[in-house]
Amino acid sequence: DAGVIQSPRHEVTEMGQEVTLRCKPISGHNSLFWYRQTMMRGLELLIYFNNNVPIDDSGMPEDRFSAKMPNASFSTLKIQPSEPRDSAVYFCASSLAGGQNEQFFGPGTRLTVL
Amino acid sequence: GDSVTQMEGPVTLSEEAFLTINCTYTATGYPSLFWYVQYPGEGLQLLLKATKADDKGSNKGFEATYRKETTSFHLEKGSVQVSDSAVYFCALTASNTGKLIFGQGTTLQVKP
Repeated sequence: DAGVIQSPRHEVTEMGQEVTLRCKPISGHNSLFWYRQTMMRGLELLIYFNNNVPIDDSGMPEDRFSAKMPNASFSTLKIQPSEPRDSAVYFCASSLAGGQNEQFFGPGTRLTVL
Repeated sequence: GDSVTQMEGPVTLSEEAFLTINCTYTATGYPSLFWYVQYPGEGLQLLLKATKADDKGSNKGFEATYRKETTSFHLEKGSVQVSDSAVYFCALTASNTGKLIFGQGTTLQVKP
């Protein structure tokens, strides 16, 4: 199994531009999570999906952030317009539904907004 | 609400030293508890877990015991190696959704 796949691995963009991060979960997993990691705020859960349906988006910082999961094998996190304070590493993780199940993390996308 | 508190880092040890990273939690119900590890430039990966009181999770020489009476899940290793240098996260999930609540992470640096 290839694990959770994220693209791009690195993204450098200018303030005001739209950024789209992509995630392919592990096949068969029905829960998907988007996290953001910064030195200042640590690891934050932004949103998560069960069976492609958003369950909790209370961690999404602003309306500039949106996430979709059109099918079981693909999810996007979009920032429009981007700002320098959005610079962070964004992780996607997937798991089988259920509180005891391990989350498998992707390698992350390092976003730099200039 | 539910929360996890870890000891402040960084923790710096010499190779073969004994490691303890403290973790305490607050949760309603009966959470499952996890330790995740993040090596430089990588995503998090599960190190060990425990799903009920008095369970001991273990992996790669690391151990942690689910202590309900003290609401703790301290991570221990008897003899650390340079390759153990990483950031360690304690986490819990208290619902069937699988949503994890993480501690702030503890950086471990092991020197030869």
